[in-house]
Amino acid sequence: QKEVEQDPGPLSVPEGAIVSLNCTYSNSAFQYFMWYRQYSRKGPELLMYTYSSGNKEDGRFTAQVDKSSKYISLFIRDSQPSDSATYLCAMTLNSGGGADGLTFGKGTHLIIQP
Amino acid sequence: NAGVTQTPKFQVLKTGQSMTLQCAQDMNHNSMYWYRQDPGMGLRLIYYSASEGTTDKGEVPNGYNVSRLNKREFSLRLESAAPSQTSVYFCASSEGIGPHQPQHFGDGTRLSIL
Repeated sequence: QKEVEQDPGPLSVPEGAIVSLNCTYSNSAFQYFMWYRQYSRKGPELLMYTYSSGNKEDGRFTAQVDKSSKYISLFIRDSQPSDSATYLCAMTLNSGGGADGLTFGKGTHLIIQP
Repeated sequence: NAGVTQTPKFQVLKTGQSMTLQCAQDMNHNSMYWYRQDPGMGLRLIYYSASEGTTDKGEVPNGYNVSRLNKREFSLRLESAAPSQTSVYFCASSEGIGPHQPQHFGDGTRLSIL
């Protein structure tokens, strides 16, 4: 079963706050994890990609994976109004791509208040 | 650098009409995908093409056909549109199939079936 749970929000925080976005999943076969950002009326764009459990940092963004708990997170430090968007988690099986493709969460709508 | 270009951006159809959605990428990618995005459902894979000359079904292929016209172009056809096919359709491409190949998305076609 491919099921990914993500709170749709909206999540509203003041500018400069640390944002925590989360997804849980039920299929322990998922091995590769991604976060996409989607602005209104635009396509998703890849933000972060990770395979192993632990943290991966890229600028203000940190992706965290806990495979034992089947839980992934995206942290945004020093949040900016331009970070306001919908954030989609996505994951894929070890075999990757193909008919398995990416399994997406439904997305969390994030609003950064100036 | 245009990336993934989808046409048209918007379309309204009547039930039973046919329609072809066009997608072209200029990144010399081998693999291309069609997704639909519905409120509360997330992104779901309709069809994909691992390489030029091949196409395969994804999670929700019923009511659709695809053509990989050449390496750059991948079209999605609705032969007899139904209101349930009202959605936002996204085309994506990647260098190849596999978990290490991030997908790049176009900005979508918003399709309404009356």
